[in-house]
Amino acid sequence: DQQVKQNSPSLSVQEGRISILNCDYTNSMFDYFLWYKKYPAEGPTFLISISSIKDKNEDGRFTVFLNKSAKHLSLHIVPSQPGDSAVYFCAASVFGGSNYKLTFGKGTLLTVNP
Amino acid sequence: EPEVTQTPSHQVTQMGQEVILRCVPISNHLYFYWYRQILGQKVEFLVSFYNNEISEKSEIFDDQFSVERPDGSNFTLKIRSTKLEDSAMYFCASSPNRVNTEAFFGQGTRLTVV
Repeated sequence: DQQVKQNSPSLSVQEGRISILNCDYTNSMFDYFLWYKKYPAEGPTFLISISSIKDKNEDGRFTVFLNKSAKHLSLHIVPSQPGDSAVYFCAASVFGGSNYKLTFGKGTLLTVNP
Repeated sequence: EPEVTQTPSHQVTQMGQEVILRCVPISNHLYFYWYRQILGQKVEFLVSFYNNEISEKSEIFDDQFSVERPDGSNFTLKIRSTKLEDSAMYFCASSPNRVNTEAFFGQGTRLTVV
C-alpha cells in the first residue's frame, strides 16, 4: 500500500544545476507534506514542509511545490551542491485529527557531481 | 543544537531474545515516535506516544513490541522475542506538537537478529 510514491530511485545532476525530486500521493486526506534528507548512518533530517493551503514554500536553495489536483509535489534545489548528495524522502501527514504518523516514500538518491 | 540521541548504534541479538532500544528525545518535546527502515525499503511508522500512553500504532507494532517512558528523559522500544524479520534500522523521533510537523529523528539503531 504505497500511499506516498517516489518513482525515481536515483537522480544525478551537475553541481550548480537544478535538482528536481518528485513525489506523488494517493491518500486525499493528506494535507501536510515534508521533505527529509538522509545521509548514510544518520537519521532523516527535516528540510522543508508545505501545507495543502499553499502551493509553494521556499527556504533558501530549497523550494517545494504542491499540486493538489494532481496529488503531486516536487522539491527543487537550486543551485545543487555536492553536499546535497543524499537520499531524499517525501513524507505526508494528516494535520490534526487522530493521525499522528508520517507516511514516507521510498526515497530518491540524489548525487550531485562536481 | 538539541538533538535526539539513540543507543546503542548497533545491536546484534539472537532470534528469540529480548532487546531494548533506547532514545533520549529533545527535552521540551511532547510527542515521541518509533519508525523503522528495513534495508532497501521505506521508513515505516511503528508507534507514537504522548502523555505516557500510545496515541497511535501501526499493524507492525504487535504484542511483541512495547514502548515506555520510564523517566523524564528516556523513551524505549522493547521487542520481547526478536525474529529475523525484525532486523532493521530503528529511528526514534520527537516533535513539540501533535501533528508531526518537523519531527526530529535520531541517528538510528541498527538491529541485527541472527
